[in-house]
Amino acid sequence: GENVEQHPSTLSVQEGDSAVIKCTYSDSASNYFPWYKQELGKRPQLIIDIRSNVGEKKDQRIAVTLNKTAKHFSLHITETQPEDSAVYFCAPTDSWGKLQFGAGTQVVVTP
Amino acid sequence: NAGVTQTPKFRILKIGQSMTLQCAQDMNHNYMYWYRQDPGMGLKLIYYSVGAGITDKGEVPNGYNVSRSTTEDFPLRLELAAPSQTSVYFCASSPLLGAGELFFGEGSRLTVL
Repeated sequence: GENVEQHPSTLSVQEGDSAVIKCTYSDSASNYFPWYKQELGKRPQLIIDIRSNVGEKKDQRIAVTLNKTAKHFSLHITETQPEDSAVYFCAPTDSWGKLQFGAGTQVVVTP
Repeated sequence: NAGVTQTPKFRILKIGQSMTLQCAQDMNHNYMYWYRQDPGMGLKLIYYSVGAGITDKGEVPNGYNVSRSTTEDFPLRLELAAPSQTSVYFCASSPLLGAGELFFGEGSRLTVL
């Protein structure tokens, strides 16, 4: 099946700094690449996604970049704020279109 | 708009007991999913359904069963509960497969003692 790895597993940043999380995957058939945010005790929620025919997508302070050749995509958060503290999951699709979630990255934004 | 509704939110079971986690969505989505999330881990797919009457195994189906008699409902059955099934269970639905947002329920925290 799809092998999905996220790095780093934890990330501590100072408020106002940028955060970058990288997700690598193994299935060359993957064609949809979302990022989910999960606050403590809450359900995961989609924050941004990208399709295989696009290299970069931006939505205010968050962006996702995709390198299909190298099989990785990254989440970029600029001007981090305390409310960005959460666990972030990448979830590329497998050959059948099902999402395969990474193990998550705990982001802590310190004031 | 309720979205995806899961019940119960919390449950404690004894080893060997059985129970059903209920999931209902009111968005007319064809695709529904059950995931489990162990502490500090990602979500693992247990079962999914592409429409009423059609279900298929995910990554970790052992010890579970599902049915999909209507578009709205997708219950998850645990038979002979084991401590290894202690987890948070999330039901989700989506209008498309592999091309759009998954809408999650609030989760059901199950403890097996």
